[in-house]
Order: sequence, then structure tokens, then C-alpha cells
Amino acid sequence: TQLLEQSPQFLSIQEGENLTVYCNSSSVFSSLQWYRQEPGEGPVLLVTVVTGGEVKKLKRLTFQFGDARKDSSLHITAAQPGDTGLYLCAGVPSNYGQNFVFGPGTRLSVLP
Amino acid sequence: SQTIHQWPATLVQPVGSPLSLECTVEGTSNPNLYWYRQAAGRGLQLLFYSVGIGQISSEVPQNLSASRPQDRQFILSSKKLLLSDSGFYLCAWSWSGGFQGYTFGSGTRLTVV
Repeated sequence: TQLLEQSPQFLSIQEGENLTVYCNSSSVFSSLQWYRQEPGEGPVLLVTVVTGGEVKKLKRLTFQFGDARKDSSLHITAAQPGDTGLYLCAGVPSNYGQNFVFGPGTRLSVLP
Repeated sequence: SQTIHQWPATLVQPVGSPLSLECTVEGTSNPNLYWYRQAAGRGLQLLFYSVGIGQISSEVPQNLSASRPQDRQFILSSKKLLLSDSGFYLCAWSWSGGFQGYTFGSGTRLTVV
């Protein structure tokens, strides 16, 4: 079993649509991070959220950390083909040591 | 600025052959270094991490080993590759003085045939 679950696993949408992807756990996390990974490349850090209920915006991307710090969401407004990629969430569960665990990712495809 | 280099980008090796993947970081001192393996649909699995020269922690028992001969050099090795060692291997670094996220290399696609 994975400490972090992500949904949906795959998502294919048209350019201009909005979407939300989710990262969930039964464990409490001290912080959560979101990464985007393009094929054949390493993941690139997008944001870190540390406070329950925190909302961060990065251009058309909005990240939210759940009040109980067990889940997070990523909302993309007016998706563009350049948003295509694998979105990974990662965090350190409480009482789990100091290394991050990664979710399996949501693979997003934005069609022109 | 800091950069991380990982090579080779792709590698095809026969079963039973040795492996050496190298990762170097520039522009920082005493980084924490990591080796991850990525399998489709299962996210990133931490294999090894290092907080200093010669200090290696293994997260998963396996056919692989890691070494850190220099402060900014991290090497992933195997004496005899197995088919199950195929995958996408990623090196990463983070600041040692407080976690601000990982910076990943561009990865190595290893195929064991």
C-alpha cells in the first residue's frame, strides 16, 4: 500500500478546460510538495505547502493543503498543452523519518 | 546557480553485467544526495541517500549499492544486473540545512536484456 494516493491516474482534456487533481493519505504530513515531470526528464518542484488550509497560486495553478494536512489538491485553470506531464505529490508523513514519499502521480494530457 | 548532472541518459546492459551510474552536483557544498528508481504507476522509490562523504543509507535491500567518494559525487552500482533492475533512475540533491525540495537530474533509462 502507498502512503500517498493520487487521483485520477490519467486525465485527458482539451485546451482551455479547468481540472483538479488530488493527493490523499490517511497519514498527517508536515508538508507536501507538488512536482511536474515531463517524459524522459526528472521531476521539477512546483510548490511546497506547509500549513493546514494553505493555498498557494502559481500563475494558473492553485495548490491547497487540507486543514488536517492529510490531503492536497492542484487546480489548473484554462489548461494549455504545455501543462502536459506527470504530476507528483510528495511529503514526509509524521513519525516516518525524514525522507519524502512520493505518490504514483497523475498523468495529464492537454490536447490542443 | 546549482546544477545536477546525471549520465548516461540511456543504457542497455545484459543480465549479469556490472553497472555504474554517476551523478554530480555543482554550485553547492555538502548537499544531501539521493538515488530514486521510478516504475510506471508506482511513483518514485528511494533507493539510497547520503548526508556526507562516505555516508550511505539504504532504504530498500536490493542488488544495488551506492557510494559517495567526493562531496558532490554520487554513484549507483551493481556487480551483476538482474532483469528486475530495469527502470528509470533519478539522482537528486537537497540542501542539508533545511529541506526546500529536491532538484532532480534528468534520469537514466536502464534496460537490462
